[in-house]
Amino acid sequence: NAGVTQTPKFRILKIGQSMTLQCTQDMNHNYMYWYRQDPGMGLKLIYYSVGAGITDKGEVPNGYNVSRSTTEDFPLRLELAAPSQTSVYFCASSYSRKREVSSYNEQFFGPGTRLTVL
Amino acid sequence: GENVEQHPSTLSVQEGDSAVIKCTYSDSASNYFPWYKQELGKRPQLIIDIRSNVGEKKDQRIAVTLNKTAKHFSLHITETQPEDSAVYFCAASSGGHSGAGSYQLTFGKGTKLSVIP
Repeated sequence: NAGVTQTPKFRILKIGQSMTLQCTQDMNHNYMYWYRQDPGMGLKLIYYSVGAGITDKGEVPNGYNVSRSTTEDFPLRLELAAPSQTSVYFCASSYSRKREVSSYNEQFFGPGTRLTVL
Repeated sequence: GENVEQHPSTLSVQEGDSAVIKCTYSDSASNYFPWYKQELGKRPQLIIDIRSNVGEKKDQRIAVTLNKTAKHFSLHITETQPEDSAVYFCAASSGGHSGAGSYQLTFGKGTKLSVIP
């Protein structure tokens, strides 16, 4: 298994440009997540999905959009890039059984995408 | 929402000594507490986790303790080695107990551990 893969690894955008960060997992996980990590900070949740067709906002969703048309893919869209979106973006996935309090399981992270907006 | 505080932000220890990192959380519904290790330029990787029905968990040189009453949990690394040098993150989640949104992990800001040979 490749696990969680992300493309691209690096990207430089100009202010106002748009792009899509790709994320794919081959572990048949139902939950997927997008985080951003700023220097010296922990990870902050942008969006998450509990299954195909279902997405929800995390802590810092402004300026981003997501979709989940398949179990495997969870792309993150930046519509109008701003310097404040310069960060490292991590995608993650996990398997959880719904409606079971103790079903929370390990999140597996992708290698990250380093994005710079100039 | 949940708030996780992590201390210290940096920690230097001599090789062979122990290292302790502490976290506090605010949401009493949180019941899952993982610790992630992130080496420079790499992805976070789970090193140990604990659930609220357990007070302590150990895996070789790594242990985690949880005090639900005080809402804090700690990571203990014994016999530290240079390869333990990394940034360590604690996190907390209510694991679905409070609805679908509570599967979110809230992370601390990280502790940069340096093990001096």
